[in-house]
Amino acid sequence: DSGVTQTPKHLITATGQRVTLRCSPRSGDLSVYWYQQSLDQGLQFLIQYYNGEERAKGNILERFSAQQFPDLHSELNLSSLELGDSALYFCASSATGAGYGYTFGSGTRLTVV
Amino acid sequence: DQQVKQNSPSLSVQEGRISILNCDYTNSMFDYFLWYKKYPAEGPTFLISISSIKDKNEDGRFTVFLNKSAKHLSLHIVPSQPGDSAVYFCAASGGQNFVFGPGTRLSVLP
Repeated sequence: DSGVTQTPKHLITATGQRVTLRCSPRSGDLSVYWYQQSLDQGLQFLIQYYNGEERAKGNILERFSAQQFPDLHSELNLSSLELGDSALYFCASSATGAGYGYTFGSGTRLTVV
Repeated sequence: DQQVKQNSPSLSVQEGRISILNCDYTNSMFDYFLWYKKYPAEGPTFLISISSIKDKNEDGRFTVFLNKSAKHLSLHIVPSQPGDSAVYFCAASGGQNFVFGPGTRLSVLP
């Protein structure tokens, strides 16, 4: 157990739907990062939050949004889902905003049918 | 534009031999590098790191080499063990988030 908790582990939904992925960071970590891993692809950085505020944005689609709550857990919202959004979504946390070393959760596997 | 490249999608090595995984980067602002290992159905786990002020860092069977002029780093695993079979990601940072490479799948054959 890495200390980073992601729920749900698996999610199957239809095209056009909206889903919410949840991440609880490791205790004491202020930064949360979301990454997407599609089939045969590397980890694509989506977005980072630090202590409730957006810190950095990567290749995140406009249909996707995220937030970090006062208790530091984070949610990634994916809407108007398309088949191509099927992927593993990883959350990671770190103690500082500098990102020197992450701890990853075990991921949420999203399948859009 | 891929800032971090791992040009070998896969690598097979005999148990007991050396595994060498390579990584190239394009952004000269990157100053901290990590290697992560990922087993199926698990999140990536941190393996070893190196900062740009060093050219080598060793941790047990794992050694990372950094060649800043060539913008190249490599991970050496000696001796390789079947339990090392996993996908290895190289990651680089210039101070904020890490940029990950596409990964190399290592298979260590008994």
